Amino acid sequence: SQTIHQWPATLVQPVGSPLSLECTVEGTSNPNLYWYRQAAGRGLQLLFYSVGIGQISSEVPQNLSASRPQDRQFILSSKKLLLSDSGFYLCAWSVPGNGAHFSYEQYFGPGTRLTVT
Amino acid sequence: AQSVSQHNHHVILSEAASLELGCNYSYGGTVNLFWYVQYPGQHLQLLLKYFSGDPLVKGIKGFEAEFIKSKFSFNLRKPSVQWSDTAEYFCAVNPRGNNRLAFGKGNQVVVIP
Repeated sequence: SQTIHQWPATLVQPVGSPLSLECTVEGTSNPNLYWYRQAAGRGLQLLFYSVGIGQISSEVPQNLSASRPQDRQFILSSKKLLLSDSGFYLCAWSVPGNGAHFSYEQYFGPGTRLTVT
Repeated sequence: AQSVSQHNHHVILSEAASLELGCNYSYGGTVNLFWYVQYPGQHLQLLLKYFSGDPLVKGIKGFEAEFIKSKFSFNLRKPSVQWSDTAEYFCAVNPRGNNRLAFGKGNQVVVIP
């Protein structure tokens, strides 16, 4: 069966410090991968998604970047954190789609709570 | 702009009461529709989904949702809630052929024993 891991679970970082959050998926190949930020009362905001190694689409211009160095690894990074980067970050995966007949159902990891101080 | 709307962000009700959460979307064309649930301290997980066919879909834990194409709606219902249904519920829409899910802002549901 497929599983998705995220770490760390919680992180407290000072403003201006770098960030690296990691997400890995097991039990599937060539998944679509996604990074979301969840804010209370505002739902889930899609930050990045990837359909393959080295292929990253950015949804929202911001202080963050994403990379996919391996098929089942997705990394969220920042060179210098801002206070506004605080939040709950979720990674998700889906089976790669094939057009009109695919569900794009996404499966979510446990999330990382990031507090920037 | 294309969007997913969920109203009444906070819902408080007693056990055995009926629950209905509204979801409206503004995407044209064919869509896949989902309801996700996040129980306190747990992962976001799929409650139910609609791709095609019978517009009334059954999910886990006694939940169901009805797709009304003419109203661009996918409302979630449960006839009799339990304390364990306390959670945040998110509607999500995937325009067919698109890689992305668009989420509503969620409904925080609290069931009082």
